[in-house]
Amino acid sequence: DAGITQSPRYKITETGRQVTLMCHQTWSHSYMFWYRQDLGHGLRLIYYSAAADITDKGEVPDGYVVSRSKTENFPLTLESATRSQTSVYFCASSDYRDFEETQYFGPGTRLLVL
Amino acid sequence: AQKITQTQPGMFVQEKEAVTLDCTYDTSDQSYGLFWYKQPSSGEMIFLIYQGSYDEQNATEGRYSLNFQKARKSANLVISASQLGDSAMYFCAMRETNFGNEKLTFGTGTRLTIIP
Repeated sequence: DAGITQSPRYKITETGRQVTLMCHQTWSHSYMFWYRQDLGHGLRLIYYSAAADITDKGEVPDGYVVSRSKTENFPLTLESATRSQTSVYFCASSDYRDFEETQYFGPGTRLLVL
Repeated sequence: AQKITQTQPGMFVQEKEAVTLDCTYDTSDQSYGLFWYKQPSSGEMIFLIYQGSYDEQNATEGRYSLNFQKARKSANLVISASQLGDSAMYFCAMRETNFGNEKLTFGTGTRLTIIP
């Protein structure tokens, strides 16, 4: 069972380039999330999606775009990468059938913007 | 105001001792959930334990327990008999009941180091 996967796992890019981080889950979870992790900030929510074609902003959405045409995929695009977007990006999913259900996290993508 | 506060950036604990990681939270909701995650050096996020705001008993999962003090808005993680493999970052998170808004808010984390 693949669970939730992210690709690429590591990415180096240059300022101004467009970058897309992929997230795929095999559980058919309705909710999917994108977080960034930076030292001293913990995990901060960028965007989330409650279902296919339904997305909403999180705490730090500026500079990012998401789409969700299929339940299992939730790509995150940096339209014009900046150095401040150097971070570790985590995708997560959940079904929330029960209130106590956790989010399940992917392995993360380390992004370096030069 | 911070919704989740973890005041201990780092902790060093002797192996086999118990350790308490602090977490305080701020919410006006009556119904909410509190989660703890472990992030080892390999980077993955591992769910440890959950406490619901209406749960009368403290949650326990093996060596992990959650010391829930609702009036103080405190949800400390207790690890009994610590092991070297417990060395990791630990994050406290809260889920509030804004229906249709199923987000987690995370604290900044505590780096725990177990000393042999």
